[in-house]
Amino acid sequence: NAGVTQTPKFQVLKTGQSMTLQCAQDMNHNSMYWYRQDPGMGLRLIYYSASEGTTDKGEVPNGYNVSRLNKREFSLRLESAAPSQTSVYFCASSGRGGVWAGELFFGEGSRLTVL
Amino acid sequence: AQSVSQHNHHVILSEAASLELGCNYSYGGTVNLFWYVQYPGQHLQLLLKYFSGDPLVKGIKGFEAEFIKSKFSFNLRKPSVQWSDTAEYFCAVKDTDKLIFGTGTRLQVFP
Repeated sequence: NAGVTQTPKFQVLKTGQSMTLQCAQDMNHNSMYWYRQDPGMGLRLIYYSASEGTTDKGEVPNGYNVSRLNKREFSLRLESAAPSQTSVYFCASSGRGGVWAGELFFGEGSRLTVL
Repeated sequence: AQSVSQHNHHVILSEAASLELGCNYSYGGTVNLFWYVQYPGQHLQLLLKYFSGDPLVKGIKGFEAEFIKSKFSFNLRKPSVQWSDTAEYFCAVKDTDKLIFGTGTRLQVFP
């Protein structure tokens, strides 16, 4: 099992360009999350999907959109990238069988630079 | 909404020293608390978690944490650190159906 897979691992964008970060999990988890990690700021939740068909805003949703494509996949889109969105993005999943045990399983991260 | 505070931003220790990293959460009631670790170049992984019961929780690699309700705290401890414990440590609290993380503590252990 691969766990949580994120693509791409690295990306450089120019201001105003758009892109989508892809995330897939093979653990049959119900919940999926997108966090960003910045020095001194820890991990901040951008959006999450508690179950297939639902999405909710987290702490820092501005400038992002998400799609829960199916139970396995949860994508994060930057419509018009800004330098403030330079960060490392982590996808995570949790909750097999509808039971939310609290443990998140993280992907390897996607390092995004916006020039 | 729940939040957590980690007041130690950067801790430097020698091997065999004892470790205690602070974590405070914002308000009472039933809380689920977690410590995650991120080794250099890796993703986060769970160290330990507290849901209920014994307030002293033991995790992997010799780490433990104590839940003190009266102090709104969940501090992480290890009696004797190793060079391989060099990492960033994050405290987190469950808020409905998501985890809210603290800002993290960077631990450097020197041989």
